[in-house]
Amino acid sequence: GENVEQHPSTLSVQEGDSAVIKCTYSDSASNYFPWYKQELGKRPQLIIDIRSNVGEKKDQRIAVTLNKTAKHFSLHITETQPEDSAVYFCAAMFSGGYNKLIFGAGTRLAVHP
Amino acid sequence: DTAVSQTPKYLVTQMGNDKSIKCEQNLGHDTMYWYKQDSKKFLKIMFSYNNKELIINETVPNRFSPKSPDKAHLNLHINSLELGDSAVYFCASSQQGTGNTEAFFGQGTRLTVV
Repeated sequence: GENVEQHPSTLSVQEGDSAVIKCTYSDSASNYFPWYKQELGKRPQLIIDIRSNVGEKKDQRIAVTLNKTAKHFSLHITETQPEDSAVYFCAAMFSGGYNKLIFGAGTRLAVHP
Repeated sequence: DTAVSQTPKYLVTQMGNDKSIKCEQNLGHDTMYWYKQDSKKFLKIMFSYNNKELIINETVPNRFSPKSPDKAHLNLHINSLELGDSAVYFCASSQQGTGNTEAFFGQGTRLTVV
């Protein structure tokens, strides 16, 4: 079935360190993979996305890599700051005549000063 | 200029009551969704509408009934509320098609059933 697995569920780093969150998906036809950040009490907001015709995308301190063969993609945050602390969700768009955005279970990232 | 807005933001109600949550988007998107976020923060898709037509209906109890009067609105009505319905409900919208654009979320409705 349609499934997105995300690891780790919690991640604690020191300010300035890097953080990596990994996701795998089940449908090889999926072609769109967004990452959302959700701060406490707020709505999920897109921080970066990648499409299946691209292997890597970078935006300042965040980057996403995609391995379509292995059906996994990762979020990399470098030089982490306390304001990066939030819950991060990966997602995959499952096709089949319509688009269905399925989320991973989320990673709670804590960046300690 | 809120892109996706839902009301109310908070809803506290007793078991057995019926309640509605409203959602509106001004992005011109043709697809709208309802997601449920439980206490463990898991975002689970419930429904999706494309141009007012129901296209995704996950295994949600039939006490939950979505209604889309037009493609800019998607409301959620819940009958006979139960304790387990307590969660944050998010509305979202996106545009279908090969572009697979970003899904924008509303601010969420925190439903508490007592």
